[in-house]
Amino acid sequence: GAVVSQHPSWVICKSGTSVKIECRSLDFQATTMFWYRQFPKQSLMLMATSNEGSKATYEQGVEKDKFLINHASLTLSTLTVTSAHPEDSSFYICSARDFSMNTEAFFGQGTRLTVV
Amino acid sequence: GENVGLHLPTLSVQEGDNSIINCAYSNSASDYFIWYKQESGKGPQFIIDIRSNMDKRQGQRVTVLLNKTVKHLSLQIAATQPGDSAVYFCAGQNTGGFKTIFGAGTRLFVKA
Repeated sequence: GAVVSQHPSWVICKSGTSVKIECRSLDFQATTMFWYRQFPKQSLMLMATSNEGSKATYEQGVEKDKFLINHASLTLSTLTVTSAHPEDSSFYICSARDFSMNTEAFFGQGTRLTVV
Repeated sequence: GENVGLHLPTLSVQEGDNSIINCAYSNSASDYFIWYKQESGKGPQFIIDIRSNMDKRQGQRVTVLLNKTVKHLSLQIAATQPGDSAVYFCAGQNTGGFKTIFGAGTRLFVKA
């Protein structure tokens, strides 16, 4: 299957700082990327959907000003957690899909964010 | 929106036995379902999928069954191995297939 890479795999940051997470599709063009958040022993909750070159669509209850998403190219989307707080500590996972080829969604390996 | 959930939060099986993981969904508009395996600290890994015009699909050691009448699907793993130990999620997409919404997950323990 296609490869989706997230960076970093884990990050620890101080409360109040911002953290950027990258999601790259390595061998295909991702027309759409999805960002999920997963708390311990829970399921993946969809946060937002981003299409290349346009603004992201956020799920209900997700603050767009806190979770900034950029999808400037067909191979890269970034999620920036702004003014992070301990309650933002979670496992963030992206997935990428090429709708022009009607492919399934491929998932990254996830990023463990810990805010101290 | 989509609502996909699971009956059992944990399942423990003996190595070599068959495993059955169940999932219920509530959105009649769901027409595409996927099973994912997630190991600790990793992203979900695609296992098998099924469209609503089918009621059964088989892969290598895995079978997915879909019962649209009762809005239920299951994942069967044959000859379960220790490497199958993970959390399994069902996920669904509705017509137009855009967002993938995940169910609650079942943790599978395989005893050697």
